[in-house]
Amino acid sequence: GQNIDQPTEMTATEGAIVQINCTYQTSGFNGLFWYQQHAGEAPTFLSYNVLDGLEEKGRFSSFLSRSKGYSYLLLKELQMKDSASYLCAVMDSNYQLIWGAGTKLIIKP
Amino acid sequence: ETGVTQTPRHLVMGMTNKKSLKCEQHLGHNAMYWYKQSAKKPLELMFVYNFKEQTENNSVPSRFSPECPNSSHLFLHLHTLQPEDSALYLCASSQEGASSYEQYFGPGTRLTVT
Repeated sequence: GQNIDQPTEMTATEGAIVQINCTYQTSGFNGLFWYQQHAGEAPTFLSYNVLDGLEEKGRFSSFLSRSKGYSYLLLKELQMKDSASYLCAVMDSNYQLIWGAGTKLIIKP
Repeated sequence: ETGVTQTPRHLVMGMTNKKSLKCEQHLGHNAMYWYKQSAKKPLELMFVYNFKEQTENNSVPSRFSPECPNSSHLFLHLHTLQPEDSALYLCASSQEGASSYEQYFGPGTRLTVT
């Protein structure tokens, strides 16, 4: 079957760096997405990786290793507003998104 | 108005009621989706429409009935729901054939079945 694994919850300190990991097993691969979802709000797109390597976008970076079925989202200079759930999703061979359950990130002052 | 909108934002209904959820996208996209989001569970894809044609139905119970009258509007008709159907229902849209297939989400309808 298809499976996306990510930690349920993580805690980090304001100003610090946090890495959220995601491992996947899917039938085919057409890219990996990270979304941010604040409580009670819609998921919003953060990043898309289809080739191996690191994609940097401001304070957020996303890494992909297709051979290992692994990705991470790196958040630098954490701010209180970064408290949210972070969703990992993989697009399979049918171009459908397979979603992880999300990682709830708690930022403490 | 821009992006993806959904109405109502909150809905409480009894098991014998009939109600409809509405989604509208103002992005010119050609694909629309219904997802169910339950607490601490992955997003569950329910239905996909490409160019108004339903291309995916992930074994969703018949008490959920989608309708896509045009590429900008999507409805989810609900009838004789069960308490376990209580969840956040999210609508999304995307442009098929685009380089990243990014999906844009609406704010969701929080459904409670009593």
